[in-house]
Amino acid sequence: QVHLVESGGGAVQPGGSLRLSCSASGFSFSNYAMHWVRLSPGRGLEWLSVIWHDSTNEYYADSVRGRFTISRDNSKNTLYLQMNSLRVDDTAMYYCAKADAAAGTVTIEYWGQGTVVTVSS
Amino acid sequence: QSALTQPASVSGSPGQSITISCTGSNSNIGAYPLVSWYQKHPGEAPKLILFEGSRRPSGVSDRFSGSKSGNTASLTISGLQTDDEADYYCCSYAGSSAFLIFGGGTKLIVL
Repeated sequence: QVHLVESGGGAVQPGGSLRLSCSASGFSFSNYAMHWVRLSPGRGLEWLSVIWHDSTNEYYADSVRGRFTISRDNSKNTLYLQMNSLRVDDTAMYYCAKADAAAGTVTIEYWGQGTVVTVSS
Repeated sequence: QSALTQPASVSGSPGQSITISCTGSNSNIGAYPLVSWYQKHPGEAPKLILFEGSRRPSGVSDRFSGSKSGNTASLTISGLQTDDEADYYCCSYAGSSAFLIFGGGTKLIVL
């Protein structure tokens, strides 16, 4: 059974940084691409980033490119999202999600329960 | 690219069928047969209900079906049940630059 647990969320001031983690279990983590997606009340779901199973490719939404960095440690079954230069409109629930294949895929198959990030002064 | 356009809400009675539209452009829905749909109940993680336009993951009811015409994808739910009341989001591949874009979400109300 796929299990994704996000952590690292919290409150931060504008301009600050946070690092989200996602611990994966119940599947062979190193064989699947992984995504980050966020949900905010006013904007709904917003895709943020994807990383292939072997970290050879990463893609980002325009809204976070240059500020957020996705990475993974297959030896620890963990996905990360480094978030810098945070803005008020980055406030959201952040979800880690599993793709349905290792690479070249766009289907998000399973989602974690999310971690809340609040950016406010 | 802008978010895909979905109606804010749709409603139906138990047993009826409803359709939720998702309108994009020639850069996303119109260009690729790679639309997925997600169901989200309050307080729960989103759940994949359709992928590649009309394919259902294992375990998803055949009451959920999908289609596409031009730049618009559609989700149809037949035989509405009270548990179908949720938010529904479409998502499309948008090329290697934008990669994935979501719709704004549709709240389904089962009367």
